[in-house]
Amino acid sequence: EDKVVQSPLSLVVHEGDTVTLNCSYEVTNFRSLLWYKQEKKAPTFLFMLTSSGIEKKSGRLSSILDKKELFSILNITATQTGDSAIYLCAVEAYTQGGKLIFGQGTELSVKP
Amino acid sequence: GAVVSQHPSWVICKSGTSVKIECRSLDFQATTMFWYRQFPKQSLMLMATSNEGSKATYEQGVEKDKFLINHASLTLSTLTVTSAHPEDSSFYICSASGGAPDTQYFGPGTRLTVL
Repeated sequence: EDKVVQSPLSLVVHEGDTVTLNCSYEVTNFRSLLWYKQEKKAPTFLFMLTSSGIEKKSGRLSSILDKKELFSILNITATQTGDSAIYLCAVEAYTQGGKLIFGQGTELSVKP
Repeated sequence: GAVVSQHPSWVICKSGTSVKIECRSLDFQATTMFWYRQFPKQSLMLMATSNEGSKATYEQGVEKDKFLINHASLTLSTLTVTSAHPEDSSFYICSASGGAPDTQYFGPGTRLTVL
């Protein structure tokens, strides 16, 4: 059965800290891995990763995929209170018709 | 680009009534739309996949007669929760694919509360 597992499930840090969120997966016919940020409403897209070893960056956020070890990490440097959210990892498989399989999410809380 | 809207953003209804939620892709044609449900402190659970002009494909355990999905055009899909009950109270989120890059873009969600 396809599955996506995120860790930790929750994390509390102080402003300025650097955090690393983990996502491991077991999915047949992997197509891509996506990271989303969810605050009060629906998820907003952060990154889509398809190739191993190529880091994607957007400001203080970066992410990388390891297709051999079947995991991805999302790094946030110099965290701010506005980074507090649930971070969702999802995997898309070629054979699933575009379906996304979501992990449980990591709830990040950044304290001032 | 790749904006998806949902309407209404929240709705409160009495038990036994039906509620319709609309999902629109505003600046691209969505070949496929997805409907998710999210309970508090839980991740998104896919309910069904909808392709324009064809019947929706429902996930295991989702009652197709209770959650009616219509995808009449490339920019609009609707989810109707029929005879809603308090246990149907949840956050319903749609997503659409067909924009660039080719991934799913989420609507803002609809919070349904059934009294």
